[in-house]
Parts: sequence; structure tokens; C-alpha cells
Amino acid sequence: AQSVAQPEDQVNVAEGNPLTVKCTYSVSGNPYLFWYVQYPNRGLQFLLKYITGDNLVKGSYGFEAEFNKSQTSFHLKKPSALVSDSALYFCAVRDIKGFQKLVFGTGTRLLVSP
Amino acid sequence: DAGVTQSPTHLIKTRGQQVTLRCSPKSGHDTVSWYQQALGQGPQFIFQYYEEEERQRGNFPDRFSGHQFPNYSSELNVNALLLGDSALYLCASSLMGADTGELFFGEGSRLTVL
Repeated sequence: AQSVAQPEDQVNVAEGNPLTVKCTYSVSGNPYLFWYVQYPNRGLQFLLKYITGDNLVKGSYGFEAEFNKSQTSFHLKKPSALVSDSALYFCAVRDIKGFQKLVFGTGTRLLVSP
Repeated sequence: DAGVTQSPTHLIKTRGQQVTLRCSPKSGHDTVSWYQQALGQGPQFIFQYYEEEERQRGNFPDRFSGHQFPNYSSELNVNALLLGDSALYLCASSLMGADTGELFFGEGSRLTVL
């Protein structure tokens, strides 16, 4: 079965510093990988996706993610964190049966301090 | 362009009762999926509707049922509520033909079962 793992419950970073939120995946076949962000009491917002092509994917709000097939990782990154980036981040993989069903990780809380 | 809208935003029920949650998809979308997000967890797939039929179902009991209407809107029904059904219920819409897995989420309906 398709799955993703987010090994960190929380990531703390100072504003202006680079941030990384980790995600590893386990899939059969080619992975369709996603990052979503959730602000307090809100639904999920799409950040970026990897389907094929360049291993470095650029997304919304200055975020990017690096797909690494040998390490089965899809880490989310941003060169300079903002306090407003503080939120809950979810990595997800498309189910093998498609139909746009996503399997989500448990989430990583990002706290950016001023 | 209206995004995904859900109602009600909050509701409180008691054990054994039944609840109906509603979702209108983003304009132009024809597929609706429902997810359950328990506190501190990632969203879990309940089921997906396309062309008024349930196309895929996650590991949820038959107490969870749904419907899609000709205008693509959808309902999620939960019967015989249990305390463990307390969660944020998220509706996500997409376009079946796109097949990229990108979902657009509503802000959710927070259900509390007492």
C-alpha cells in the first residue's frame, strides 16, 4: 500500500532561516507526491506536487520540494522562513488505484519564531 | 470563482444520533471526496463520488454513507454516532479527467459527539 511518513511532529526555525520539513514515501510504481498546508481551523491548501520531471518542484508561497528517488524522500523546503509560514504541513501520496484518493502523513507542525 | 463550500461549520451531536454534512464543489469540478481528520492526525479518506456513484471507499463502516447530486454537490451521512466520530470532516473536489491528484479542500465541518 502507498504510504508516507513524516518523522518530525514539530519543526522550529527562526524567521529568515531556511526550513526543511521531511517526508519519506513507500509506493508501488511511480509516486505522485503532494504537500498541503493547514492553518488553524481551516481546510487544507495545496502547495505543490511531483508527478514526473525535474526533481526540484516549485510551489506556492516560495516553497519548493526535492524529490529523491534513491532515498525515497520528498522534503519540503523554503530558503527564508516567515512567521506567517507557521502551520501544519502534510505530505501525501496518491493511492495506487488513482481516482485522486490521497494518503496523508500525520503532519508536521512548523513554528517560525520572530 | 467560489471554492469548495461546506456546511455546517460546527455542530454538536449526542451518541446514537445521525448527522448530515453538505459540500458544494469548486466550480467546474465533478468529483467529490470526503476525509475525516481526527485531532492531531492526518486526513483519512472516507469515500469518493463521481457521476453520482461511490467510486472508492476507505476503511470506514457502513454507518458512513454519502450521496452526490446531479449538480455535483454531495452529502455525507453518519448514523449511530460514536464518540470516536468526533473530528473535522473535510470535503475535497477535483476534476476526474485531470487525474493529477490535486484536490481542493473546503474548510471543513467540525463534528463533536457528546
